[in-house]
Amino acid sequence: DTAVSQTPKYLVTQMGNDKSIKCEQNLGHDTMYWYKQDSKKFLKIMFSYNNKELIINETVPNRFSPKSPDKAHLNLHINSLELGDSAVYFCASSAGTGGETQYFGPGTRLLVL
Amino acid sequence: GNSVTQMEGPVTLSEEAFLTINCTYTATGYPSLFWYVQYPGEGLQLLLKATKADDKGSNKGFEATYRKETTSFHLEKGSVQVSDSAVYFCALSGTGFQKLVFGTGTRLLVSP
Repeated sequence: DTAVSQTPKYLVTQMGNDKSIKCEQNLGHDTMYWYKQDSKKFLKIMFSYNNKELIINETVPNRFSPKSPDKAHLNLHINSLELGDSAVYFCASSAGTGGETQYFGPGTRLLVL
Repeated sequence: GNSVTQMEGPVTLSEEAFLTINCTYTATGYPSLFWYVQYPGEGLQLLLKATKADDKGSNKGFEATYRKETTSFHLEKGSVQVSDSAVYFCALSGTGFQKLVFGTGTRLLVSP
């Protein structure tokens, strides 16, 4: 059984479009995260939710809007996509909010043309 | 703020060679330290962790010791295999509402 799953795995779209990425975890964790990995493999946190509440919101354009309908799901909606949004987006989850192991999904490879 | 510095890659080794990937950190308090591994085309997986000074994390032949005096958490393996080729990330996390801070990643290439 997949612990952290993301859909879609690949996303190719045109500049200016709006797209969503979905994440689900079946680990019973309270905390979920979105990370962005650029072409040089640098990994940076974007958002974190704990029990459906936003606890970390890094300096991310407001075109990016996370939504957590319940503890097991954290979706990422991106408006007006730009070329620079091309990256791999990883969802992760953990049991708590500090020091615990984070479990990562397989990633969504977004390419904006 | 918290930060992690790890050696630039790629690190290129022959099978059965000894591996060291250096990692140093800057943090307040007593962070937890992690090594994650990313195989080609996949997400990150926890390789090992240590939560307090002098703890040694180990898994799959890899080891790292939490050294508070040198603020380091170097990754080592005595004999690498081709299947170890991946990108390795050192990371730290504080307590409370603390985010996981990653190093820039070190690519390891092991040839037969």
